[in-house]
Amino acid sequence: EVQLVESGGGLVQPGGSLRLSCAASGFTFSSYWMTWVRQAPGKGLEWVANIKENGSDKHYVDSVKGRFTISRDNTKKSLYLQMNSLRVEDTAVYYCAREGDSEVFDYWGQGTLVTVSS
Amino acid sequence: SYDLTQPPSVSVSPGQTAIITCSGDNLGDIYIFWYQQKPGQSPVLVIYHDNKRPSGIPERFSGSNSGNTATLTINGTQAMDEADYYCQAWDSDTVVFGGGTKLAVL
Repeated sequence: EVQLVESGGGLVQPGGSLRLSCAASGFTFSSYWMTWVRQAPGKGLEWVANIKENGSDKHYVDSVKGRFTISRDNTKKSLYLQMNSLRVEDTAVYYCAREGDSEVFDYWGQGTLVTVSS
Repeated sequence: SYDLTQPPSVSVSPGQTAIITCSGDNLGDIYIFWYQQKPGQSPVLVIYHDNKRPSGIPERFSGSNSGNTATLTINGTQAMDEADYYCQAWDSDTVVFGGGTKLAVL
């Protein structure tokens, strides 16, 4: 069974940093692109970043470029999101998702809440 | 980049047909995906490549995409279909989601 479990969320002050993790199981992690998607409270979905199977290619939404870094460790079957210079508007539930065949996000984690507030 | 526009809300009576639209310039030239999200849950893919249903998704869900509008249609809508629905597209190497449509089954 495919499982994605996020962790690392919490309360952080504006300007602070946080590192999210996503532990994968039930599939060959190193064979898939992986993605982070976030959802602000009461708002819609926003794609954040994705990373190629071997980590050699990464893409970001403009609003996080230069502040967030996506990475992965295939030996640990884990996906990460390093978030620096956090802003109040980064407050959201952050989901990791697998990019399956046909460009779909076929499996999602349960999400981890990041709250940026003073 | 693509801008996907959805109506904030759609209402439908049980057993009737729900139609949710997603608009954008020349949308018919690209693939559209649809995700369902129920309160407190993670999104679930219901339609990919405009009109394909993943395994496990009921046949009452269908999709189309032409011109500037993609459409998600739910025939014989059930109470369990009440949820937020998001259209999604790939814009080169990045992803765009529509603002979401809250489907109320009244």
